[in-house]
Amino acid sequence: DIVMTQSPDSLAVSLGERATINCKSSQSVLFSSNNKIFLAWYQQKPGQPPKLLFYWASTRESGVPDRFSGSGSGTDFTLTINSLQAEDVAVYYCQQHYRTPYTFGQGTKLEIK
Amino acid sequence: QVQLVESGGGLVKPGGSLRLSCAASGFSFSDYFMGWIRQAPGKGLEWISYISSSGSSKYYADSVKGRFTISRDNAKKSLYLQMDSLRVDDTAVYYCAKDGPPPQYYDSSGFYDSWGQGALVTVSS
Repeated sequence: DIVMTQSPDSLAVSLGERATINCKSSQSVLFSSNNKIFLAWYQQKPGQPPKLLFYWASTRESGVPDRFSGSGSGTDFTLTINSLQAEDVAVYYCQQHYRTPYTFGQGTKLEIK
Repeated sequence: QVQLVESGGGLVKPGGSLRLSCAASGFSFSDYFMGWIRQAPGKGLEWISYISSSGSSKYYADSVKGRFTISRDNAKKSLYLQMDSLRVDDTAVYYCAKDGPPPQYYDSSGFYDSWGQGALVTVSS
């Protein structure tokens, strides 16, 4: 199975500042035949289901504010939130959708400092 | 808009069975792979199963293989998860989710662009 490891486990950032969440896969999730990276990011607020933020590592889902960005290649990925807003408080998960069983990172809890 | 509504959760004793349903609307259900993902209380997300758009292909995580069965009825726009031989560590919120649009020449994407609100399954004596 592909193991997804996120860092840090929790993060406190001041309003208006930048938050950076990292995700590392135990093997590459780049599909060479179509050059797509099979990595997704989700946001989960308390009491709610996860919400898709990015897929193919950097394709923003419709409706996601552009202060959110996804990047990375091969095995190392980053979710960046610029100008943190109060509504961004949540747990963020990465997921590889390259090979079954699809696996998620353990989650990163983002709070306001 | 896409709507997924799970039902069938509840309290069951270890070794018991439960069947979850997920009613879909707002999209062409028969065109998409569907999945089940669960979340134990206070824990992270665990993908457990998917089913192809026709229902002919199914995959399970090792943690549920041989005990859970995924199925779908495209005429009823419904997804199901039959859970047998339930264990205490199966206690979780179970989400049904819609596969995102697949890339060209592929029939599935593996990421999930719509999720239900979840159904709580509690396994306890």
